Amino acid sequence: DVKVTQSSRYLVKRTGEKVFLECVQDMDHENMFWYRQDPGLGLRLIYFSYDVKMKEKGDIPEGYSVSREKKERFSLILESASTNQTSMYLCASSFLSEQYFGPGTRLTVT
Amino acid sequence: GDSVTQMEGPVTLSEEAFLTINCTYTATGYPSLFWYVQYPGEGLQLLLKATKADDKGSNKGFEATYRKETTSFHLEKGSVQVSDSAVYFCALTRGGGGADGLTFGKGTHLIIQP
Repeated sequence: DVKVTQSSRYLVKRTGEKVFLECVQDMDHENMFWYRQDPGLGLRLIYFSYDVKMKEKGDIPEGYSVSREKKERFSLILESASTNQTSMYLCASSFLSEQYFGPGTRLTVT
Repeated sequence: GDSVTQMEGPVTLSEEAFLTINCTYTATGYPSLFWYVQYPGEGLQLLLKATKADDKGSNKGFEATYRKETTSFHLEKGSVQVSDSAVYFCALTRGGGGADGLTFGKGTHLIIQP
């Protein structure tokens, strides 16, 4: 079974802090993705990556950056957390078009 | 751009009722279509998929048929169970190929009462 793990299930940070969300997949997938999930808005794509050191902006990249130094690991970075970044963050990796999701990190920014 | 529209709910049904969750899409090219399910406190799991027109995806008693003429991918199940209570997301591949991620609908919260 494909396994996608995220470093934290719940995280509470203060406004202005730099926040790192980590994601690791164990299936040697080329493509990895970060989404945020908000009630009434569904999932929206933040960033994705085709390969190590490659990154592409999704629909809502503002306020976020990413890092992919190793194939299995894809990190989402909030440079200066704000309250409007309180959300559920979901990481995924994919084989062809089929995506496999991690359990999510619920981030609260106070 | 590409988009997915689905009924938002909540949809409340009694056990053993027939389920339909509507999904329509707007896309360029020939996207693959998916239904994902999210159980409380968990990430998304792939429920079923269809990669071309007239394909039927099926899994766990759920079915959906890729209808290009009506740009639809409605989810159906003949007899729902309490354990089917979850949020269901319809999605399509961005840019047609899938390597660019998925575009999701807003999700439909399904509640099954005993």
